Amino acid sequence: SQQGEEDPQALSIQEGENATMNCSYKTSINNLQWYRQNSGRGLVHLILIRSNEREKHSGRLRVTLDTSKKSSSLLITASRAADTASYFCATAFEDSNYQLIWGAGTKLIIKP
Amino acid sequence: DAGVIQSPRHEVTEMGQEVTLRCKPISGHDYLFWYRQTMMRGLELLIYFNNNVPIDDSGMPEDRFSAKMPNASFSTLKIQPSEPRDSAVYFCASSPGQGYDTQYFGPGTRLTVL
Repeated sequence: SQQGEEDPQALSIQEGENATMNCSYKTSINNLQWYRQNSGRGLVHLILIRSNEREKHSGRLRVTLDTSKKSSSLLITASRAADTASYFCATAFEDSNYQLIWGAGTKLIIKP
Repeated sequence: DAGVIQSPRHEVTEMGQEVTLRCKPISGHDYLFWYRQTMMRGLELLIYFNNNVPIDDSGMPEDRFSAKMPNASFSTLKIQPSEPRDSAVYFCASSPGQGYDTQYFGPGTRLTVL
């Protein structure tokens, strides 16, 4: 089964609002990563958070990690139309033999 | 750096034909990954290389799939013979250090097998 599972599967909000996506996983991890995929494009790395970190920021992005709950969230503040994309979490869990395990993604639509 | 380069970007072929997908990783990256993405199965790791050596090919669906990395700047994924169920977007990604660090993806090859 998938290690990382995103929630919700789809999210539609108005431009300017904040968007929050969640990722849950099952086993201890080395790190958790968030990627964005625009339609018809490859995945682009957003943020990597290690298991000993609780929060990271990058511009309008904020990622939190709660290892006790085995969950992470990605917050996009002041959303823009250009943020419309699918967002994936990928977990690198201990003994994963260098594989990232990918979730199914959250499809985010920003309405103008 | 130009990023990960994949060719072709689109491939349409008929069932039974051989298909070869190509990838040029970012210079200096030690790890190279081949993924397949479909609506039904999401993103699947097919195979990855470390320093040109295949490390784990357990994701390769069948013997019809093969991958090579003859040198640090080139890799191929071959499907022979192709089948309609192979239709998907195939991504190549490379990573500079540990395999579970940041991966840099190419634009993908959209394969359609008729």
